[in-house]
Amino acid sequence: AQKVTQAQTEISVVEKEDVTLDCVYETRDTTYYLFWYKQPPSGELVFLIRRNSFDEQNEISGRYSWNFQKSTSSFNFTITASQVVDSAVYFCALSEGGGSYIPTFGRGTSLIVHP
Amino acid sequence: NAGVTQTPKFRVLKTGQSMTLLCAQDMNHEYMYWYRQDPGMGLRLIHYSVGEGTTAKGEVPDGYNVSRLKKQNFLLGLESAAPSQTSVYFCASRSGTGMYSNQPQHFGDGTRLSIL
Repeated sequence: AQKVTQAQTEISVVEKEDVTLDCVYETRDTTYYLFWYKQPPSGELVFLIRRNSFDEQNEISGRYSWNFQKSTSSFNFTITASQVVDSAVYFCALSEGGGSYIPTFGRGTSLIVHP
Repeated sequence: NAGVTQTPKFRVLKTGQSMTLLCAQDMNHEYMYWYRQDPGMGLRLIHYSVGEGTTAKGEVPDGYNVSRLKKQNFLLGLESAAPSQTSVYFCASRSGTGMYSNQPQHFGDGTRLSIL
Protein backbone atom coordinates (compact mmCIF):
# COMPACT_ATOMS: atom_id res chain seq x y z
CA ALA A 1 0.00 0.00 0.00
CA GLN A 2 1.20 3.47 -0.77
CA LYS A 3 1.38 6.23 1.82
CA VAL A 4 2.46 9.86 1.92
CA THR A 5 3.31 11.67 5.12
CA GLN A 6 3.60 15.41 5.45
CA ALA A 7 4.48 15.74 9.09
CA GLN A 8 4.42 19.54 9.13
CA THR A 9 0.84 20.66 9.51
CA GLU A 10 1.62 24.36 9.46
CA ILE A 11 4.76 26.41 8.95
CA SER A 12 5.02 30.12 9.62
CA VAL A 13 7.92 32.18 8.29
CA VAL A 14 8.78 35.78 7.66
CA GLU A 15 9.24 36.98 4.12
CA LYS A 16 12.67 36.27 2.60
CA GLU A 17 13.28 33.27 4.82
CA ASP A 18 14.01 29.93 3.18
CA VAL A 19 11.58 27.15 4.04
CA THR A 20 11.52 23.41 3.40
CA LEU A 21 8.36 21.34 3.25
CA ASP A 22 8.90 17.69 4.00
CA CYS A 23 7.34 14.75 2.19
CA VAL A 24 8.02 11.13 3.09
CA TYR A 25 6.48 8.32 1.09
CA GLU A 26 6.05 4.57 1.26
CA THR A 27 5.62 2.23 -1.66
CA ARG A 28 6.54 -1.30 -2.64
CA ASP A 29 6.77 -0.47 -6.32
CA THR A 30 10.08 0.27 -7.97
CA THR A 31 8.32 2.50 -10.49
CA TYR A 32 6.38 5.39 -9.06
CA TYR A 33 5.73 9.08 -9.50
CA LEU A 34 5.80 11.90 -7.00
CA PHE A 35 3.96 15.19 -7.30
CA TRP A 36 3.65 18.51 -5.54
CA TYR A 37 0.54 20.67 -5.77
CA LYS A 38 -0.13 24.15 -4.43
CA GLN A 39 -3.48 25.36 -3.10
CA PRO A 40 -3.46 29.13 -2.58
CA PRO A 41 -6.10 30.87 -0.44
CA SER A 42 -8.29 31.22 -3.53
CA GLY A 43 -8.80 27.46 -3.33
CA GLU A 44 -7.75 25.99 -6.65
CA LEU A 45 -5.18 23.20 -6.80
CA VAL A 46 -2.21 23.86 -9.04
CA PHE A 47 0.28 21.26 -10.22
CA LEU A 48 3.91 22.17 -9.50
CA ILE A 49 6.11 19.22 -10.35
CA ARG A 50 6.18 15.52 -11.22
CA ARG A 51 9.17 13.28 -10.65
CA ASN A 52 9.53 9.60 -11.52
CA SER A 53 11.40 7.10 -9.38
CA PHE A 54 14.22 6.67 -11.89
CA ASP A 55 15.19 10.31 -11.90
CA GLU A 56 16.84 11.41 -8.68
CA GLN A 57 18.16 14.63 -10.04
CA ASN A 58 17.17 17.62 -8.00
CA GLU A 59 15.11 20.20 -9.79
CA ILE A 60 15.14 23.96 -9.53
CA SER A 61 12.56 26.32 -10.90
CA GLY A 62 13.19 29.89 -9.90
CA ARG A 63 12.86 30.11 -6.11
CA TYR A 64 11.48 26.57 -5.93
CA SER A 65 13.62 23.47 -5.64
CA TRP A 66 12.90 19.83 -5.00
CA ASN A 67 15.17 17.27 -3.40
CA PHE A 68 14.35 13.64 -4.19
CA GLN A 69 16.18 11.03 -2.13
CA LYS A 70 15.21 7.41 -2.61
CA SER A 71 17.48 6.35 0.25
CA THR A 72 15.26 8.18 2.71
CA SER A 73 12.03 7.95 0.67
CA SER A 74 11.70 11.69 0.69
CA PHE A 75 10.74 14.32 -1.82
CA ASN A 76 11.20 17.64 -0.07
CA PHE A 77 10.28 21.05 -1.41
CA THR A 78 12.28 24.17 -0.64
CA ILE A 79 11.24 27.74 -1.26
CA THR A 80 14.12 30.18 -1.25
CA ALA A 81 13.55 33.79 -0.18
CA SER A 82 9.87 33.18 0.52
CA GLN A 83 7.27 35.73 -0.45
CA VAL A 84 3.77 36.44 0.80
CA VAL A 85 2.39 35.01 -2.46
CA ASP A 86 3.87 31.65 -1.48
CA SER A 87 1.32 31.39 1.32
CA ALA A 88 -0.72 28.31 0.49
CA VAL A 89 -1.36 24.71 1.37
CA TYR A 90 1.07 22.40 -0.36
CA PHE A 91 0.27 18.78 -1.08
CA CYS A 92 2.65 15.98 -1.88
CA ALA A 93 1.26 12.98 -3.77
CA LEU A 94 2.43 9.54 -4.87
CA SER A 95 1.23 7.44 -7.78
CA GLU A 96 2.51 3.93 -8.23
CA GLY A 97 3.60 2.79 -11.66
CA GLY A 98 2.07 0.13 -13.81
CA GLY A 99 -1.02 2.11 -14.62
CA SER A 100 -2.14 2.93 -11.09
CA TYR A 101 -5.33 4.92 -11.19
CA ILE A 102 -5.30 6.48 -7.76
CA PRO A 103 -2.71 8.92 -6.46
CA THR A 104 -2.28 9.07 -2.70
CA PHE A 105 -2.11 12.54 -1.19
CA GLY A 106 -0.48 13.71 1.99
CA ARG A 107 -2.59 15.80 4.33
CA GLY A 108 -0.88 18.97 3.22
CA THR A 109 1.32 21.59 4.82
CA SER A 110 -0.04 25.07 5.33
CA LEU A 111 2.65 27.66 4.70
CA ILE A 112 2.10 31.15 6.02
CA VAL A 113 4.54 33.82 4.93
CA HIS A 114 4.35 37.01 6.94
CA PRO A 115 5.44 40.32 5.45
CA ASN B 1 -9.04 26.88 -22.40
CA ALA B 2 -11.54 25.64 -19.82
CA GLY B 3 -9.77 22.53 -18.45
CA VAL B 4 -11.94 21.15 -15.65
CA THR B 5 -15.17 22.97 -14.87
CA GLN B 6 -17.28 22.32 -11.81
CA THR B 7 -20.84 23.51 -11.31
CA PRO B 8 -22.16 24.88 -9.09
CA LYS B 9 -19.45 26.73 -7.18
CA PHE B 10 -21.52 27.16 -4.02
CA ARG B 11 -24.63 25.51 -2.71
CA VAL B 12 -26.55 25.35 0.54
CA LEU B 13 -28.83 22.40 1.11
CA LYS B 14 -31.14 21.27 3.85
CA THR B 15 -30.69 17.87 5.41
CA GLY B 16 -32.39 15.24 3.31
CA GLN B 17 -32.32 17.16 0.05
CA SER B 18 -30.62 15.72 -2.99
CA MET B 19 -28.40 17.33 -5.54
CA THR B 20 -25.93 16.62 -8.32
CA LEU B 21 -22.53 18.18 -8.82
CA LEU B 22 -21.32 18.34 -12.38
CA CYS B 23 -17.73 18.05 -13.55
CA ALA B 24 -16.82 18.62 -17.17
CA GLN B 25 -13.40 18.35 -18.77
CA ASP B 26 -12.38 19.25 -22.29
CA MET B 27 -8.99 17.54 -22.39
CA ASN B 28 -10.21 14.09 -23.50
CA HIS B 29 -8.91 12.57 -20.28
CA GLU B 30 -9.72 8.96 -19.44
CA TYR B 31 -9.54 9.23 -15.67
CA MET B 32 -11.78 11.39 -13.53
CA TYR B 33 -12.03 11.73 -9.76
CA TRP B 34 -14.18 13.25 -7.05
CA TYR B 35 -12.53 14.33 -3.80
CA ARG B 36 -13.74 16.04 -0.71
CA GLN B 37 -11.54 18.35 1.31
CA ASP B 38 -12.10 18.92 4.99
CA PRO B 39 -9.88 20.87 7.42
CA GLY B 40 -6.88 18.82 8.48
CA MET B 41 -7.93 15.83 6.38
CA GLY B 42 -6.34 16.65 3.07
CA LEU B 43 -8.01 15.30 -0.05
CA ARG B 44 -10.09 12.17 0.33
CA LEU B 45 -11.18 10.24 -2.72
CA ILE B 46 -14.92 9.62 -2.98
CA HIS B 47 -15.29 7.88 -6.33
CA TYR B 48 -13.34 7.69 -9.53
CA SER B 49 -13.72 6.58 -13.12
CA VAL B 50 -11.20 5.09 -15.52
CA GLY B 51 -13.34 5.54 -18.59
CA GLU B 52 -16.77 6.23 -19.99
CA GLY B 53 -19.37 3.99 -18.41
CA THR B 54 -17.13 2.86 -15.53
CA THR B 55 -17.00 4.00 -11.92
CA ALA B 56 -15.35 2.74 -8.75
CA LYS B 57 -15.40 3.51 -5.04
CA GLY B 58 -12.72 5.48 -3.36
CA GLU B 59 -11.88 5.96 0.28
CA VAL B 60 -15.14 7.62 1.42
CA PRO B 61 -17.95 6.58 -0.98
CA ASP B 62 -20.85 6.24 1.46
CA GLY B 63 -23.71 8.63 0.81
CA TYR B 64 -22.57 9.45 -2.71
CA ASN B 65 -23.23 8.07 -6.16
CA VAL B 66 -21.56 8.84 -9.45
CA SER B 67 -22.11 8.39 -13.14
CA ARG B 68 -19.95 8.78 -16.22
CA LEU B 69 -22.26 8.45 -19.18
CA LYS B 70 -20.05 10.63 -21.35
CA LYS B 71 -16.27 10.70 -21.32
CA GLN B 72 -16.11 14.40 -20.63
CA ASN B 73 -18.57 14.46 -17.73
CA PHE B 74 -18.46 12.99 -14.24
CA LEU B 75 -21.45 13.56 -11.99
CA LEU B 76 -21.49 13.29 -8.22
CA GLY B 77 -24.85 12.81 -6.54
CA LEU B 78 -25.95 13.18 -2.97
CA GLU B 79 -29.18 11.25 -2.54
CA SER B 80 -30.06 12.48 0.95
CA ALA B 81 -27.71 15.19 2.13
CA ALA B 82 -26.39 15.07 5.69
CA PRO B 83 -24.52 17.74 7.67
CA SER B 84 -21.44 15.47 7.64
CA GLN B 85 -21.28 16.02 3.89
CA THR B 86 -20.57 19.71 4.36
CA SER B 87 -17.27 20.09 2.58
CA VAL B 88 -15.42 21.44 -0.42
CA TYR B 89 -15.65 19.07 -3.35
CA PHE B 90 -13.01 18.87 -6.05
CA CYS B 91 -13.16 17.14 -9.36
CA ALA B 92 -9.97 16.14 -11.15
CA SER B 93 -9.03 14.50 -14.39
CA ARG B 94 -5.92 13.16 -16.01
CA SER B 95 -4.86 11.21 -19.03
CA GLY B 96 -4.08 7.62 -18.26
CA THR B 97 -3.07 5.54 -21.20
CA GLY B 98 0.27 4.24 -22.28
CA MET B 99 3.04 6.77 -22.25
CA TYR B 100 0.71 9.32 -20.73
CA SER B 101 0.02 7.33 -17.61
CA ASN B 102 0.77 8.86 -14.26
CA GLN B 103 0.40 12.35 -15.57
CA PRO B 104 -0.54 15.03 -13.04
CA GLN B 105 -4.16 15.63 -12.24
CA HIS B 106 -5.98 18.74 -13.40
CA PHE B 107 -8.39 20.07 -10.81
CA GLY B 108 -11.54 22.10 -11.00
CA ASP B 109 -11.99 25.15 -8.81
CA GLY B 110 -14.09 23.29 -6.27
CA THR B 111 -17.68 23.35 -5.05
CA ARG B 112 -18.35 24.61 -1.55
CA LEU B 113 -21.33 22.69 -0.20
CA SER B 114 -23.06 23.39 3.09
CA ILE B 115 -25.70 21.10 4.53
CA LEU B 116 -27.91 22.65 7.19
